Amino acid sequence: EIVLTQSPATLSLSPGERATLSCRASQRVSSSIAWYQQKPGQAPRLVMYDASTRATGIPGRFSGSGSGTDFTLTISSLEPEDFAVYYCQQRSNWVFTFGGGTKVEIK
Amino acid sequence: QVQLQQWGAGLMKPSETLSLTCAVKGGSFGSYYWSWIRQAPGKGLEWIGESSRYGDTNYSPSLKSRVSMSVDTSKNQFSLKLSSVTAADTAVYYCARGSMYYFVYWGQGTLVTVSS
Repeated sequence: EIVLTQSPATLSLSPGERATLSCRASQRVSSSIAWYQQKPGQAPRLVMYDASTRATGIPGRFSGSGSGTDFTLTISSLEPEDFAVYYCQQRSNWVFTFGGGTKVEIK
Repeated sequence: QVQLQQWGAGLMKPSETLSLTCAVKGGSFGSYYWSWIRQAPGKGLEWIGESSRYGDTNYSPSLKSRVSMSVDTSKNQFSLKLSSVTAADTAVYYCARGSMYYFVYWGQGTLVTVSS
């Protein structure tokens, strides 16, 4: 089973700043990575899939990159609604796994 | 617009069997895999398993011995059963529609608490 490790666990930033979230896989990911945003009391929302494709309705300040074992989600200029927990996810050998999450909080 | 509406018992005793159902409204039921994902209080997301309309299933290795999933295409519903629950199974359970590699549509979540 592929383990996804996200860093940092918490990112304290101000609105307007750039957020860079990392997701590292324990072995090469065959199917690429998806990213989700989750706010308190809500279901996760797909933000990015295939590492770099924005999901429907996701603004252009979100971008994704990476391949193999290292992936990054970048929010170029944080808006108030972007403060949330972000999870990466992959699928390999018929099993989905999620990373432990990165909380983006207001500094 | 696809909507997933889920329900099931919210309070259970240890050793009982958890049972949740998710109804699919809008979109095509038969072309996708239908997953269950859970989130313990204050913790991250854990995939439980998936089922297709044809009865194909894939389960998390850590839960495989206790999980059963099924699909009722006549009702556009799919279900989860998790046997022999303990306090460690206390979580918000989500149903979700999967593509091969990610989840676009999610249910609203059901909090299941296991307590004696």
